[in-house]
Amino acid sequence: AQSVAQPEDQVNVAEGNPLTVKCTYSVSGNPYLFWYVQYPNRGLQFLLKYITGDNLVKGSYGFEAEFNKSQTSFHLKKPSALVSDSALYFCAVSTDTGRRALTFGSGTRLQVQP
Amino acid sequence: GAGVSQSPSNKVTEKGKDVELRCDPISGHTALYWYRQSLGQGLEFLIYFQGNSAPDKSGLPSDRFSAERTGGSVSTLTIQRTQQEDSAVYLCASSLRDWPYEQYFGPGTRLTVT
Repeated sequence: AQSVAQPEDQVNVAEGNPLTVKCTYSVSGNPYLFWYVQYPNRGLQFLLKYITGDNLVKGSYGFEAEFNKSQTSFHLKKPSALVSDSALYFCAVSTDTGRRALTFGSGTRLQVQP
Repeated sequence: GAGVSQSPSNKVTEKGKDVELRCDPISGHTALYWYRQSLGQGLEFLIYFQGNSAPDKSGLPSDRFSAERTGGSVSTLTIQRTQQEDSAVYLCASSLRDWPYEQYFGPGTRLTVT
């Protein structure tokens, strides 16, 4: 079975400061990792993914994530947070040996204060 | 271009009634997924279609839930004899092909069972 853990229900950061949203995963086989963002009353939007290759992946809106195989982590980062980044962030995983659909974490609410 | 569309956006139904939820995927996308988002359960996979292959129904919570995809495009999720615990936002997503392609989500259908 595959699973994703987002240990923080909420992350608070001041505008202009760096932000990190944590994600760890458990799969059999090779992981394919994704980050999605959900703004209020809107659907999920794709941010970035890791399939293979460089462990640091860059995505939309200045976000990036680092794949760490030994720690089974895929933390989302941004060097300088914006108030408009405030939203609900979901980490998700699929695998080449299991279910093709995504298994999601419980979500982390990011609050960026001006 | 046009994204994933879902209808209705909101549905209120009485316990015991049947409901149908519709999803129009992005044109040319061969993979289609249904998920459910609820407060207590987070984002749960329901069912997945890929081309002409047999659907992966492993996420359907009971035999009251079924889905079909006609002509490899539009999909309908049917819930029979609705229960209050079926109240949730039902999300549809499509991807160009199956993993590891990113999924694009529709705005969802909010189902309320009274």
